[in-house]
Amino acid sequence: EPEVTQTPSHQVTQMGQEVILRCVPISNHLYFYWYRQILGQKVEFLVSFYNNEISEKSEIFDDQFSVERPDGSNFTLKIRSTKLEDSAMYFCASSDEKAETQYFGPGTRLLVL
Amino acid sequence: DQQVKQNSPSLSVQEGRISILNCDYTNSMFDYFLWYKKYPAEGPTFLISISSIKDKNEDGRFTVFLNKSAKHLSLHIVPSQPGDSAVYFCAASTLEGGKLIFGQGTELSVKP
Repeated sequence: EPEVTQTPSHQVTQMGQEVILRCVPISNHLYFYWYRQILGQKVEFLVSFYNNEISEKSEIFDDQFSVERPDGSNFTLKIRSTKLEDSAMYFCASSDEKAETQYFGPGTRLLVL
Repeated sequence: DQQVKQNSPSLSVQEGRISILNCDYTNSMFDYFLWYKKYPAEGPTFLISISSIKDKNEDGRFTVFLNKSAKHLSLHIVPSQPGDSAVYFCAASTLEGGKLIFGQGTELSVKP
């Protein structure tokens, strides 16, 4: 069964450093998303991406964040200058042309020191 | 942002019995609702969904009920199995391809 994959599974970085989180969505899906879950809190929406552009973003998704689909398979989230409060699980998700159900990857645990 | 609320942080059920997980929402524009199951250190796994034009959707042991007038949905698992022990999230969206708004989650423990 096709699934969303994410790399790395864990990332430790120093405050102020740039990180790139990578995702491979399900191959025939058209909608792509990033969410995050800070420990003990809700899963929060960050950004959605469709037709090679951002379709919606949350207040969390400020100028420090960017997304890219550099080729036909990868979908990346870049945090330019990480802050301590960026420590969280980051989940990538994708959905097909019906855009009803979002399928999530296993997540990347980011720890900013 | 409290548009989707799961008021029970935990639920304990005996194996073989019914588990009922509840979710309330405030935004009447939500038109699609989903339940996800999540194990620690894993991503949410899609379980079942329901469109706002329906009031019930069933898939095997899982049934989701939607009461639009009460802005309430519930997930029934019957019979419950120990492998169902996980955190269950309800989520809602307002349009196709739109962001999901999640509840806080309910941790279900099914005891043998």
